[in-house]
Order: sequence, then C-alpha cells, then structure tokens
Amino acid sequence: EIVLTQSPDFQSVSPGENVTITCRASQNTGTYLHWYQQKPDQSPKLLIKFASQSFSGVPSRFSGSGSGTDFTLTINSLEVEDAATYYCHQSSTSPDTFGQGTKLEIK
Amino acid sequence: QVQLQESGPGLVKPSETLSLTCIVSGGSVSSGGHYWHWIRQPPGKGLEWIGYVSYSGGTRYNPSLKSRVTISVDTSKNQFSLKLTSLTAADTAVFYCARGSATDYFDYWGQGTLLTVSS
Repeated sequence: EIVLTQSPDFQSVSPGENVTITCRASQNTGTYLHWYQQKPDQSPKLLIKFASQSFSGVPSRFSGSGSGTDFTLTINSLEVEDAATYYCHQSSTSPDTFGQGTKLEIK
Repeated sequence: QVQLQESGPGLVKPSETLSLTCIVSGGSVSSGGHYWHWIRQPPGKGLEWIGYVSYSGGTRYNPSLKSRVTISVDTSKNQFSLKLTSLTAADTAVFYCARGSATDYFDYWGQGTLLTVSS
C-alpha cells in the first residue's frame, strides 16, 4: 500500500502567519491526493481535492499544490479557527491511505 | 445538502460482531458515481479506510480487514451498513461513514460513532 508521510507532525503558529504542510507519498499518486481538516471532536472536512482544487465553500486562504509524490497544503494569513489536525489522503491505489496527520496549534 | 448519520451499539464484547448503519438524507445511495465508505479512527490516532460499497452494490475492502468486513447497501431504506467480526480491543475507534465522489475524495462525512470493545 502507499504510505503517506506528513511533516511536520506538530506546528505552533501565530495568527496572520503562513503555514505549509507537506505530504510525501511512497509511490506516484499523480494528483489523486486530497486534504482534510479535522477539529477536535468533529469529523474531517474536505479542503482540497486532486492536489490543488478547492472544495466548495472552503476559504481562499487554503491552497494545495504538487503531483507525483510531493504535495503541499498552504494556509495563508492563519486564523484562530484554523487550529485543527490536517490529513492528506490518496485515492490513486487501493487501499486508500491517509497521512499520520499534522496538528496545528495557534499561539 | 447530503447528510449522513451513523448508528451503532456503542459497546461490544470481544469476539462479537459489530453492526453499524449509515442513514443517508438529501441524496440517494443509488445515484450513479457515488461510493459509500466506512473509515475509522482509534482514539487519539489517525484515519484508516475500511472499505466501500458502490451505488450498484460492488464492494472493495482494505486487505488488512478484508477477512472480517462486510459492507452492504439497502436502497429501499437509503442506507448502507458495516459488519465487522471477531472484535478485539484494537477495534475500539470512532467509525465514520462518508460519501466518496467516484472512488476519489470524501466530500460528506457523518459525525462519527464511538465503538468500544470491552468485556
């Protein structure tokens, strides 16, 4: 199965700063790579589909890029409400797999 | 707006079988192009894909669970279900149902239901 490795595992950032989270795949996933946000005690929410396409209703400060094995999620001008754990997910090859998550703390 | 709602027992004994149901509203499980997934998350840990049932009833499972999992769809009730056999404490997790766009991203999720396996 394809292993997704996210970095960092944890990051503490101040409001207004920009954040970049990376996701590296153990095999080529093309652009079948998606990003989710999960707040405490909530279900994950889709942010970005197919590496760079924003999902409906997601604020424009969230963006994604990459293809193949290296992907990034960028959050511009971080807001307090962005405190959450972020996961990447590949649907290129079954079984679907997720990264281990990146927990974002707002200072 | 599509909504999904899981229902299940909450507490199950080791070696028993789990049965969960996901009721879909605001959309149809028979609509073409959508796949209906189960995903779980052990407390404090990451997400694990369990498997899906397609709008036509086809299934695919995670090989790590394949021998113990059955996912089915009931179009008359607009719901789909998960059965997981031979439970152990390692199966304790929040179980989510989700809609997949084709076999790609998960665009709608249920709120999740916690399963605890304990005697």
